[in-house]
Amino acid sequence: EVQLVESGGGLVQPGGSLRLSCAASGFTFSIYSMNWIRQAPGKGLEWVSYISSSSGVIYYADSVKGRFTISRDNAQNSLYLQMNGLRAEDTAVYYCGRDLDDTGRELGGYCDHWGQGTVVTVSS
Amino acid sequence: DIQMTQSPSSLSASVGDRVTITCRASREFSNYLAWYQQKPGKVPRLLIHAASTLQSGVPSRFSGSGSGTYFTLTISSLQPEDVATYYCQTYNTAPRITFGGGTRVEI
Repeated sequence: EVQLVESGGGLVQPGGSLRLSCAASGFTFSIYSMNWIRQAPGKGLEWVSYISSSSGVIYYADSVKGRFTISRDNAQNSLYLQMNGLRAEDTAVYYCGRDLDDTGRELGGYCDHWGQGTVVTVSS
Repeated sequence: DIQMTQSPSSLSASVGDRVTITCRASREFSNYLAWYQQKPGKVPRLLIHAASTLQSGVPSRFSGSGSGTYFTLTISSLQPEDVATYYCQTYNTAPRITFGGGTRVEI
């Protein structure tokens, strides 16, 4: 059974940093691209970042580019999101999602499995 | 970047009704469109990819269609368990992936 478990969320002051983790199990993590998606309270889904299976291709939403860094450790079956310079508007539930696409071209796909999410609150 | 406009933003229908949700893209792209269902307090669930391919385990009352800039998600006979918010999402559209704003479906 595919499982994705996020951790690392919490309360942080504006300008602070957090590192989110996503532990994967039940599938061969190293051959799948992965995504981070977030959802602000009462709002819709917002894609945050994508990383290919080898870490060779990475994309970011404009709203986080330059502040967030996605990475992965295939030996540890783990995905990460380093978040620096946090702002109030980054407050959200952060989900990791297993990426699938229909072309194999590493252009960002859809998510067939999602974790339960970890809550990030940015407030003074 | 492609912008996705979902409509309506919310709807109320009766059990057994046919419900259609639309997603319009700001420009044409290949049919790399997915639909998700998110029930209150739950994690999003993939329903459809490639605009019309039903994900394994999803009831057949859900269907997707469309091409170019206009895509639809249809629930052929609305059930109580379908109360949720539905999102469309573009993919294979690097360097950005875009979600629609969501459609809340109530009974």
